[in-house]
Amino acid sequence: DAKTTQPTSMDCAEGRAANLPCNHSTISGNEYVYWYRQIHSQGPQYIIHGLKNNETNEMASLIITEDRKSSTLILPHATLRDTAVYYCIVRVDNYGQNFVFGPGTRLSVLP
Amino acid sequence: DVKVTQSSRYLVKRTGEKVFLECVQDMDHENMFWYRQDPGLGLRLIYFSYDVKMKEKGDIPEGYSVSREKKERFSLILESASTNQTSMYLCASSYPPGYEQYFGPGTRLTVT
Repeated sequence: DAKTTQPTSMDCAEGRAANLPCNHSTISGNEYVYWYRQIHSQGPQYIIHGLKNNETNEMASLIITEDRKSSTLILPHATLRDTAVYYCIVRVDNYGQNFVFGPGTRLSVLP
Repeated sequence: DVKVTQSSRYLVKRTGEKVFLECVQDMDHENMFWYRQDPGLGLRLIYFSYDVKMKEKGDIPEGYSVSREKKERFSLILESASTNQTSMYLCASSYPPGYEQYFGPGTRLTVT
């Protein structure tokens, strides 16, 4: 699986959009970009994933650059409950492929 | 919503005890996984199962075994608990086509 690079930490004001970047310059053509988050002492929570098109769901939007070397997770209106560690993972969509969680980005949403 | 439940949130066991961690999912998922999470090491895959009675070793299977007798239930067994198995244990399940994994709340196991 390709390696990802994320900032160690970020702050965001409550009610504003949180934009979390991820670099994956060695991504392969058949690898998807996944985003998870983990609130302290809880299991990771699936947020969104995509291959090359931008994706949106009720939680977030995922913007993938045309060359697929980077992506951005957007939380449109951050709340205090969005404070968590966010993980960007690239992997092939295969049942046998486990998720390799790096250190992630610690997002703090400030009142 | 997908729900993955784990039998205990916190567990304290003694060295040498046999420990059972249970995981149940309610969405008829085919695939189930057991991970452990340790500070600085991220999540590491212990075992996974893609069907009833089927299992595959992950990255760190030593000291663990698993059982999947029913589709919805995946058990992790520590045959003889040791202090280096003190960790957060996470169960996950997934289904086609996206194969995104849904995680349970975790069990924090302490072996003394």
